[in-house]
Amino acid sequence: KAGVTQTPRYLIKTRGQQVTLSCSPISGHRSVSWYQQTPGQGLQFLFEYFSETQRNKGNFPGRFSGRQFSNSRSEMNVSTLELGDSALYLCASSLASGFYNEQFFGPGTRLTVL
Amino acid sequence: GESVGLHLPTLSVQEGDNSIINCAYSNSASDYFIWYKQESGKGPQFIIDIRSNMDKRQGQRVTVLLNKTVKHLSLQIAATQPGDSAVYFCAENIFLGGGFKTIFGAGTRLFVKA
Repeated sequence: KAGVTQTPRYLIKTRGQQVTLSCSPISGHRSVSWYQQTPGQGLQFLFEYFSETQRNKGNFPGRFSGRQFSNSRSEMNVSTLELGDSALYLCASSLASGFYNEQFFGPGTRLTVL
Repeated sequence: GESVGLHLPTLSVQEGDNSIINCAYSNSASDYFIWYKQESGKGPQFIIDIRSNMDKRQGQRVTVLLNKTVKHLSLQIAATQPGDSAVYFCAENIFLGGGFKTIFGAGTRLFVKA
Protein backbone atom coordinates (compact mmCIF):
# COMPACT_ATOMS: atom_id res chain seq x y z
CA LYS A 1 0.00 0.00 0.00
CA ALA A 2 1.44 3.38 -0.95
CA GLY A 3 2.18 5.80 1.84
CA VAL A 4 1.21 9.43 2.17
CA THR A 5 2.62 11.47 -0.66
CA GLN A 6 3.26 15.18 -0.69
CA THR A 7 4.09 17.39 -3.62
CA PRO A 8 6.24 19.21 -4.26
CA ARG A 9 9.01 18.06 -1.93
CA TYR A 10 10.87 21.36 -2.12
CA LEU A 11 9.71 24.83 -2.95
CA ILE A 12 11.34 28.25 -3.01
CA LYS A 13 9.16 31.34 -3.04
CA THR A 14 9.61 35.03 -2.37
CA ARG A 15 7.82 37.20 0.14
CA GLY A 16 4.34 38.19 -0.91
CA GLN A 17 3.79 35.21 -3.17
CA GLN A 18 1.29 32.47 -2.50
CA VAL A 19 1.84 28.73 -2.50
CA THR A 20 -0.27 25.59 -2.72
CA LEU A 21 0.90 22.29 -1.29
CA SER A 22 -0.69 18.96 -2.05
CA CYS A 23 -1.19 15.82 0.00
CA SER A 24 -2.45 12.43 -1.13
CA PRO A 25 -3.43 10.25 1.85
CA ILE A 26 -3.19 6.51 2.05
CA SER A 27 -5.99 4.88 0.09
CA GLY A 28 -9.07 4.55 2.27
CA HIS A 29 -7.95 7.18 4.77
CA ARG A 30 -10.48 9.96 5.21
CA SER A 31 -8.85 12.12 7.87
CA VAL A 32 -6.04 14.44 6.82
CA SER A 33 -4.14 16.78 9.11
CA TRP A 34 -1.52 19.38 8.32
CA TYR A 35 1.38 20.48 10.50
CA GLN A 36 4.11 23.08 10.29
CA GLN A 37 7.54 22.11 11.58
CA THR A 38 10.22 24.69 12.35
CA PRO A 39 13.34 24.52 14.53
CA GLY A 40 12.00 27.24 16.79
CA GLN A 41 8.37 26.24 17.20
CA GLY A 42 8.56 22.50 16.60
CA LEU A 43 5.57 20.69 15.17
CA GLN A 44 2.43 22.78 15.20
CA PHE A 45 -1.04 21.73 14.18
CA LEU A 46 -2.52 23.65 11.26
CA PHE A 47 -5.85 21.99 10.49
CA GLU A 48 -7.67 18.68 10.24
CA TYR A 49 -10.10 17.58 7.56
CA PHE A 50 -12.51 14.70 7.45
CA SER A 51 -14.83 13.99 4.54
CA GLU A 52 -14.16 17.38 2.96
CA THR A 53 -14.96 19.27 6.17
CA GLN A 54 -12.46 21.20 8.24
CA ARG A 55 -13.10 20.09 11.79
CA ASN A 56 -10.31 21.89 13.58
CA LYS A 57 -7.85 24.67 12.98
CA GLY A 58 -4.71 25.61 14.86
CA ASN A 59 -3.57 29.06 15.87
CA PHE A 60 -2.42 30.30 12.50
CA PRO A 61 -3.43 33.46 10.65
CA GLY A 62 -6.05 33.41 7.94
CA ARG A 63 -3.31 33.38 5.31
CA PHE A 64 -3.18 29.66 5.93
CA SER A 65 -6.08 27.77 4.43
CA GLY A 66 -6.82 24.32 3.19
CA ARG A 67 -9.37 22.07 1.62
CA GLN A 68 -10.09 18.41 1.09
CA PHE A 69 -11.52 16.86 -2.02
CA SER A 70 -14.00 14.03 -2.35
CA ASN A 71 -11.16 11.57 -2.96
CA SER A 72 -9.64 12.68 0.39
CA ARG A 73 -6.72 14.42 -1.27
CA SER A 74 -5.96 17.69 0.46
CA GLU A 75 -4.31 20.96 -0.37
CA MET A 76 -3.13 23.76 1.80
CA ASN A 77 -2.55 27.29 0.64
CA VAL A 78 -0.49 30.06 2.13
CA SER A 79 -1.05 33.52 0.75
CA THR A 80 1.14 36.60 1.08
CA LEU A 81 4.14 34.58 2.17
CA GLU A 82 6.37 35.86 4.95
CA LEU A 83 9.93 34.87 5.79
CA GLY A 84 8.65 33.15 8.92
CA ASP A 85 6.58 30.77 6.83
CA SER A 86 9.76 28.93 5.87
CA ALA A 87 9.22 25.48 7.31
CA LEU A 88 8.64 21.83 6.66
CA TYR A 89 4.93 21.27 6.05
CA LEU A 90 3.76 17.81 6.96
CA CYS A 91 0.57 16.05 6.08
CA ALA A 92 -0.76 13.04 7.96
CA SER A 93 -3.66 10.74 7.23
CA SER A 94 -5.61 8.30 9.34
CA LEU A 95 -8.21 5.70 8.62
CA ALA A 96 -11.38 6.97 10.23
CA SER A 97 -12.19 9.82 12.52
CA GLY A 98 -8.61 9.86 13.62
CA PHE A 99 -8.73 10.37 17.36
CA TYR A 100 -7.57 6.92 18.37
CA ASN A 101 -6.20 6.00 15.01
CA GLU A 102 -2.56 5.98 14.05
CA GLN A 103 -1.57 8.92 11.88
CA PHE A 104 0.70 8.22 8.93
CA PHE A 105 2.90 11.12 7.93
CA GLY A 106 4.20 12.04 4.53
CA PRO A 107 7.80 13.15 3.96
CA GLY A 108 6.80 16.81 3.97
CA THR A 109 7.22 19.78 1.68
CA ARG A 110 10.20 21.99 2.49
CA LEU A 111 9.15 25.60 1.83
CA THR A 112 11.77 28.31 1.74
CA VAL A 113 10.63 31.93 1.57
CA LEU A 114 13.25 34.43 0.40
CA GLY B 1 -2.99 25.99 28.50
CA GLU B 2 -2.24 23.02 26.34
CA SER B 3 1.35 22.02 26.09
CA VAL B 4 3.38 18.91 25.82
CA GLY B 5 7.02 19.32 26.64
CA LEU B 6 10.16 17.27 26.97
CA HIS B 7 12.67 17.43 29.79
CA LEU B 8 15.83 16.95 27.73
CA PRO B 9 16.56 18.15 24.23
CA THR B 10 19.30 15.54 23.60
CA LEU B 11 20.10 12.10 24.92
CA SER B 12 23.23 10.13 24.18
CA VAL B 13 23.36 6.42 24.96
CA GLN B 14 25.69 3.54 24.28
CA GLU B 15 24.55 0.88 21.84
CA GLY B 16 22.90 -1.92 23.75
CA ASP B 17 21.89 0.22 26.69
CA ASN B 18 18.32 1.15 27.50
CA SER B 19 17.05 4.64 26.66
CA ILE B 20 14.44 6.59 28.55
CA ILE B 21 12.87 9.68 27.03
CA ASN B 22 10.58 11.75 29.23
CA CYS B 23 7.68 14.05 28.51
CA ALA B 24 5.38 16.26 30.57
CA TYR B 25 1.92 17.31 29.53
CA SER B 26 -0.37 19.94 30.99
CA ASN B 27 -3.88 18.99 29.85
CA SER B 28 -5.27 16.73 32.56
CA ALA B 29 -8.26 15.89 30.35
CA SER B 30 -6.07 14.39 27.64
CA ASP B 31 -7.10 10.91 26.73
CA TYR B 32 -4.64 9.65 24.18
CA PHE B 33 -0.87 9.92 23.93
CA ILE B 34 1.47 8.91 21.16
CA TRP B 35 5.21 8.64 20.66
CA TYR B 36 6.66 9.39 17.24
CA LYS B 37 10.12 8.91 15.81
CA GLN B 38 11.43 11.25 13.15
CA GLU B 39 14.52 10.43 11.15
CA SER B 40 16.33 13.01 9.09
CA GLY B 41 14.46 13.88 5.90
CA LYS B 42 11.35 11.93 6.86
CA GLY B 43 8.02 12.60 8.48
CA PRO B 44 7.29 11.40 12.01
CA GLN B 45 6.63 7.70 12.35
CA PHE B 46 4.25 6.20 14.89
CA ILE B 47 6.02 4.13 17.56
CA ILE B 48 3.50 3.38 20.24
CA ASP B 49 0.41 4.87 21.81
CA ILE B 50 -1.40 4.70 25.12
CA ARG B 51 -4.83 5.68 26.30
CA SER B 52 -5.43 7.39 29.60
CA ASN B 53 -7.06 4.30 31.12
CA MET B 54 -3.71 2.51 30.96
CA ASP B 55 -0.46 2.97 32.88
CA LYS B 56 1.83 0.96 30.68
CA ARG B 57 1.92 -0.43 27.20
CA GLN B 58 4.61 -2.51 25.58
CA GLY B 59 5.63 -2.93 21.99
CA GLN B 60 8.62 -4.44 20.33
CA ARG B 61 11.60 -3.14 22.35
CA VAL B 62 9.58 -0.10 23.41
CA THR B 63 7.47 0.59 26.48
CA VAL B 64 5.40 3.66 27.22
CA LEU B 65 4.58 4.58 30.79
CA LEU B 66 1.87 7.04 31.73
CA ASN B 67 1.63 8.69 35.13
CA LYS B 68 -1.56 10.70 35.18
CA THR B 69 -1.00 11.91 38.72
CA VAL B 70 2.01 13.96 37.73
CA LYS B 71 1.08 14.23 34.04
CA HIS B 72 4.19 12.50 32.88
CA LEU B 73 4.86 10.20 29.96
CA SER B 74 7.99 8.23 29.18
CA LEU B 75 9.29 6.10 26.35
CA GLN B 76 11.69 3.31 27.15
CA ILE B 77 13.73 1.72 24.37
CA ALA B 78 15.40 -1.54 25.25
CA ALA B 79 18.79 -2.51 23.84
CA THR B 80 19.14 0.71 21.90
CA GLN B 81 20.51 0.28 18.40
CA PRO B 82 22.18 2.74 15.99
CA GLY B 83 18.98 2.69 13.93
CA ASP B 84 17.17 4.21 16.90
CA SER B 85 19.06 7.47 16.43
CA ALA B 86 16.38 10.03 15.64
CA VAL B 87 14.25 12.76 17.18
CA TYR B 88 11.47 11.45 19.38
CA PHE B 89 8.28 13.38 19.98
CA CYS B 90 5.56 12.78 22.48
CA ALA B 91 2.14 13.95 21.36
CA GLU B 92 -1.29 14.28 22.78
CA ASN B 93 -4.58 14.09 20.89
CA ILE B 94 -7.20 16.51 22.05
CA PHE B 95 -10.76 15.81 21.07
CA LEU B 96 -12.17 19.06 19.78
CA GLY B 97 -15.05 20.24 17.66
CA GLY B 98 -16.10 16.79 16.54
CA GLY B 99 -12.57 16.11 15.44
CA PHE B 100 -9.20 16.31 17.07
CA LYS B 101 -5.91 18.06 17.06
CA THR B 102 -2.52 16.72 17.95
CA ILE B 103 -0.20 18.69 20.21
CA PHE B 104 3.45 17.73 19.86
CA GLY B 105 6.24 18.12 22.37
CA ALA B 106 9.49 19.86 21.50
CA GLY B 107 11.32 16.64 20.71
CA THR B 108 14.36 14.82 22.09
CA ARG B 109 17.25 13.93 19.84
CA LEU B 110 18.60 10.48 20.63
CA PHE B 111 22.22 9.71 19.73
CA VAL B 112 23.32 6.10 19.87
CA LYS B 113 27.05 5.59 20.22
CA ALA B 114 28.48 2.43 18.74
